[in-house]
Amino acid sequence: QVQLVESGGGVVQPGRSLRLSCVASDFNFRTYGMHWVRQAPGKGLEWVALISYDGSNEMYADSVRGRFTLSRDNSKNTLYLQMNSLRVEDTAVYHCAKDGAYGAYGGPMPFDLWGRGTLVTVSS
Amino acid sequence: SYVLTQPPSVSVAPGQTARITCGGNNIGSDSVHWYQQKPGQAPVMVVYDLTDRPSGIPERFSDSKSGNTATLTISRVEAGDEADYYCQVWDSSTAHYVFGTGTKVTVL
Repeated sequence: QVQLVESGGGVVQPGRSLRLSCVASDFNFRTYGMHWVRQAPGKGLEWVALISYDGSNEMYADSVRGRFTLSRDNSKNTLYLQMNSLRVEDTAVYHCAKDGAYGAYGGPMPFDLWGRGTLVTVSS
Repeated sequence: SYVLTQPPSVSVAPGQTARITCGGNNIGSDSVHWYQQKPGQAPVMVVYDLTDRPSGIPERFSDSKSGNTATLTISRVEAGDEADYYCQVWDSSTAHYVFGTGTKVTVL
């Protein structure tokens, strides 16, 4: 079954770190860019970051640049999001999403597969 | 920065047509995509890049553009269409991705 499953969320204090994972199934993971998109409680969707299909390029939203780092292990079909210096405003459900463009990095293609997300709560 | 504005809510009776607008300064020249999100579920792409639909999405979902506004149209609305809907574009000036503010569709 083609799917994305996130894990690693939890409750963490401000200033601490957390690492999220996203495992992909039943598609050629190594040939697609991957995104993280978050949704604060009761709020809309916010794009967080993109990593290229081979992991050689990354791009971040201004709100997380310098604090969050994307990586991927194509041998394990797994995407990671390392979140450092967490803030209360980072509290959200974090979804991973597959880019619709084969073998590309960035561009106007849609997010054509999403995971259900994992909840990160930053609170003292 | 690129801002996409949607109405917070749209209400529609079963069998009628729902129209959800998405306004943005450069939207006329950009590819616009639409997502449906039901409570506690992953978003699902329903329409991409003007009239294309993923497999499994009914023909009742379509989109159009005029000037600086894109519109998602849901024809013959069913109870199962009740959800939040988001438009999305790629901002070529920053290479970032932008989502609309979201619209809650209520089926009366």
